[in-house]
Amino acid sequence: AQRVTQPEKLLSVFKGAPVELKCNYSYSGSPELFWYVQYSRQRLQLLLRHISRESIKGFTADLNKGETSFHLKKPFAQEEDSAMYYCALTVGPGAQKLVFGQGTRLTINP
Amino acid sequence: DAGVIQSPRHEVTEMGQEVTLRCKPISGHDYLFWYRQTMMRGLELLIYFNNNVPIDDSGMPEDRFSAKMPNASFSTLKIQPSEPRDSAVYFCASRRTGLHYGYTFGSGTRLTVV
Repeated sequence: AQRVTQPEKLLSVFKGAPVELKCNYSYSGSPELFWYVQYSRQRLQLLLRHISRESIKGFTADLNKGETSFHLKKPFAQEEDSAMYYCALTVGPGAQKLVFGQGTRLTINP
Repeated sequence: DAGVIQSPRHEVTEMGQEVTLRCKPISGHDYLFWYRQTMMRGLELLIYFNNNVPIDDSGMPEDRFSAKMPNASFSTLKIQPSEPRDSAVYFCASRRTGLHYGYTFGSGTRLTVV
């Protein structure tokens, strides 16, 4: 079954420290993976998608097919990074159905 | 582009009442998705449409839930009768066909059933 697992519900780091939010997936086909961010009581916003290999707001994520992981990283956390982060995978016919992990709430302490 | 527009932003209703949530996708997007977000379950896909046709409604929790997309610019999610456990934030999202296009989400409707 297709599944996205984010093992950490809560993650707290100090400002300036490195951040890594973990994401593992299970999918038999070629995955299309995303990271979405949700700031307090706002809409979900696309942060990254693996096919574009871009860096947004200092975040990067590398798809590791061997480990079936797509961890989100940032070398130096900032207070404005505090938010809910969701890893997601497209599945189904035409890979149009977006399945989310449970999310990780990241808190950056000053 | 105004993005995906949802209405109302907040809805408080009494148990047993009918609730209708509305969504206007981005023009030109041929996929529309309804999600429900709760603390316990996170983000769950309820149903999605392609070119106004429902493709997968396996996430719709019960017969009390129904969704329609009468045209490319409008969709509704209806709950009848509503129950307190339906309280959640309901998000609509749309997407254009193609691997390079992401999903755009609306601001959500926060539903409280008392």
